[in-house]
Formats: sequence, structure tokens, C-alpha cells
Amino acid sequence: SQQGEEDPQALSIQEGENATMNCSYKTSINNLQWYRQNSGRGLVHLILIRSNEREKHSGRLRVTLDTSKKSSSLLITASRAADTASYFCATDGINTGTASKLTFGTGTRLQVTL
Amino acid sequence: DSGVTQTPKHLITATGQRVTLRCSPRSGDLSVYWYQQSLDQGLQFLIQYYNGEERAKGNILERFSAQQFPDLHSELNLSSLELGDSALYFCASSVGTGSFNGYTFGSGTRLTVV
Repeated sequence: SQQGEEDPQALSIQEGENATMNCSYKTSINNLQWYRQNSGRGLVHLILIRSNEREKHSGRLRVTLDTSKKSSSLLITASRAADTASYFCATDGINTGTASKLTFGTGTRLQVTL
Repeated sequence: DSGVTQTPKHLITATGQRVTLRCSPRSGDLSVYWYQQSLDQGLQFLIQYYNGEERAKGNILERFSAQQFPDLHSELNLSSLELGDSALYFCASSVGTGSFNGYTFGSGTRLTVV
């Protein structure tokens, strides 16, 4: 079953605009991560935010985390056509025993047009 | 190239057959994770191995099995295949048992059962 639900399911914007994707999850977490997947390809790790952090930046990416609301958002600024992909949030839940595994959300399909 | 190698890239087989998917983790990574991605179920965690030992089990069917060998490569065996097993199967790796540095994904094996 999915731990995270992304919103919106699909997003279409023009190059240069900002894109915001949201993720909600259900259980307490150690960290939350965002991944990008180009069509039919493997997932690429973008950014990780720990449960005691509220905001993190990496290049054109900004991630926020609100553990009280069990939600996160990913902002991509000044989007480019190359940002067209599906974006997934993934949670590393607490109480998963000695091993840690990521549970992925349903994904947001981002289309950036010229 | 992520450093995680999956073979084969594509596989077409008939119902009832058995296949083996292979994964070589990124150099230095001891954990291997298997995920199944389908349109209706999204990304589902199957199983994790760390340094040859099974560490976590997810939604893996009894018809599926996996192992990690002394050289750290892993194989996912799928038997008595059904049409519903058609999916993308991803392998990911990480240094330790946790997700603190994110996972590195391979490019996947696309399995089509006919």
C-alpha cells in the first residue's frame, strides 16, 4: 500500500514558471525524500529532509516538511523542459525494525512546455 | 549511469513460466532493494537484502523469491507467472541498512507476461 499521496496527480506549466507538488503521508517518519523518474526510466534521488528539519534547498529545489500535518512540498523554481518527469515522495517510516525501507507515494506527472 | 546494473532490460515470457532478474549494486553498497512498479499499484516494495541476509519483506508474493550472493549481486526469481505480474521491476542499493543517503536505482527490467 502507498504511504504517500501526491497532489496534484498531473501538472502542466510553461518554462520559467515554478512548479509545486505536495505529498501527504500517514505514519511517523525518520526522513522524507523526493525522487524524479523520466518516462520508463529508473528513479533519481533529488533531496532528503529529516524529520527534525522544516526546510531544505538544493539548487532550484526547495522542500518543506510539516510533521504535525504529515505533509511535504517540493518546489521547483524557474522550470525547464528537462524537468518534465514524474516526481515521487518517499518516506522512511519509524518502527520498521532493524531495516529501513522507503515507501513511495503515487507521484505527480510534471509537464513543462516551451 | 547510476552504478546499479539491472539485466535484462526487457523480458517477454508466457504465463506459467519462471524468470530471473539480476541486479548488481553500486560499488560499495551493501543493501539491495527490489521494487515493482505497475500502473495500478504504483511502486511497491518487495524485499531488502543487506550483505547477503534478508532484512525486510514487503508485498512480495510467495511465487517470488530473491537472494543476495557473496559478491553482493542479487537475483529476483518470479515463477508461475501471471498476466498481472507484468510490470517494471527496479533494483536499488544503498550503503547501509538505512535510507539516510537515499537509494540509487537501476534502470529497471520491463517484464511482459503474455
